[in-house]
Amino acid sequence: EAQVTQNPRYLITVTGKKLTVTCSQNMNHEYMSWYRQDPGLGLRQIYYSMNVEVTDKGDVPEGYKVSRKEKRNFPLILESPSPNQTSLYFCASSPRKGPQHFGDGTRLSIL
Amino acid sequence: GQQVMQIPQYQHVQEGEDFTTYCNSSTTLSNIQWYKQRPGGHPVFLIQLVKSGEVKKQKRLTFQFGEAKKNSSLHITATQTTDVGTYFCAPGPGSSNTGKLIFGQGTTLQVKP
Repeated sequence: EAQVTQNPRYLITVTGKKLTVTCSQNMNHEYMSWYRQDPGLGLRQIYYSMNVEVTDKGDVPEGYKVSRKEKRNFPLILESPSPNQTSLYFCASSPRKGPQHFGDGTRLSIL
Repeated sequence: GQQVMQIPQYQHVQEGEDFTTYCNSSTTLSNIQWYKQRPGGHPVFLIQLVKSGEVKKQKRLTFQFGEAKKNSSLHITATQTTDVGTYFCAPGPGSSNTGKLIFGQGTTLQVKP
């Protein structure tokens, strides 16, 4: 089954404790992206990747890192999480010019 | 930078009424995509429009891409409770050379049975 898998689905953690949210897709898509969703603000792009070893900043990259060492994986790293990064996060993948397929989301709470 | 605005932000309708959401971009788009997100779910792709003036239908949903390729609309005829959710528009990943995407803020539709 074609899918985008995010882990964990839920996480409560504390300020400053490094965390990684994993994202994996099995559709051989070139393009991958991370979004955060906050009430009233819609989906805002954090980082994206056009292909392996190619990543770039989206609209709200501050406080986040990503890597794309393999085509299928695109982890989101919060080196020193802060409460303002409490949010719902979505990973998505797509062919270069096709529809985006979204993961089920990761709800992060940073205390 | 590019901006994508959607109106209205919220809409409450009685079941059976029609609904329209509008999407306006500050720049010309090569394509536009529409997504639906049910409460508690993730965005799901509905359709992509590419041509100027293009109109596409999916059952009770009608999608339109403006002649200038800067605006788009989604119209739902005779809403049902299954239409509840948030509808987003966004340029597709192939619409720019950079891959940076700006989603509209979304229109949340509530349908009263």
